[in-house]
Amino acid sequence: SQTIHQWPATLVQPVGSPLSLECTVEGTSNPNLYWYRQAAGRGLQLLFYSVGIGQISSEVPQNLSASRPQDRQFILSSKKLLLSDSGFYLCAWSVGQGDSPLHFGNGTRLTVT
Amino acid sequence: GESVGLHLPTLSVQEGDNSIINCAYSNSASDYFIWYKQESGKGPQFIIDIRSNMDKRQGQRVTVLLNKTVKHLSLQIAATQPGDSAVYFCAESLDYKLSFGAGTTVTVRA
Repeated sequence: SQTIHQWPATLVQPVGSPLSLECTVEGTSNPNLYWYRQAAGRGLQLLFYSVGIGQISSEVPQNLSASRPQDRQFILSSKKLLLSDSGFYLCAWSVGQGDSPLHFGNGTRLTVT
Repeated sequence: GESVGLHLPTLSVQEGDNSIINCAYSNSASDYFIWYKQESGKGPQFIIDIRSNMDKRQGQRVTVLLNKTVKHLSLQIAATQPGDSAVYFCAESLDYKLSFGAGTTVTVRA
């Protein structure tokens, strides 16, 4: 069966520090991969998605970037964190061409201080 | 921005009653819709989905209804249980991308 791993679960970082969040998927090949951010009490905002290695689509201009160095690995990064980068970051995967559900990891709670 | 919205941010339901959660979507080209349940501190969990060529789909204790004419989606939960307390999101899909509404918080009263 497929599983998704996302770490760390919680993270506290100072303003101006770098960020690297990692997500890996097991049990499936060539998944579509996604990074979402969820502010407190809000819905999920799509940040990046990838339909293949090296293919990254950015949805919202911001202080973050994403990379997909391997088929089942998706990384969210920042060179210098802002206070506004605080939130709950969720990685997800799906298969197909947008006609199957996304399956989410358990998220990373990022607090920028 | 958010292209999918929900009619009510909160819903309080008596245990054993049926729950109905509503959602309005904005993009008439969306062809696939999903309901998710999110418990505190966890990622959203898939509940049920429906494609645009259908108007109703049933799962275990849940039913999703789709009205494309008015761009409305609803989730019905039969015999609501305490474990159903959570935030529920509808989402619409177009071109690989899933857009979410702000969610409805469902509280089940004993």
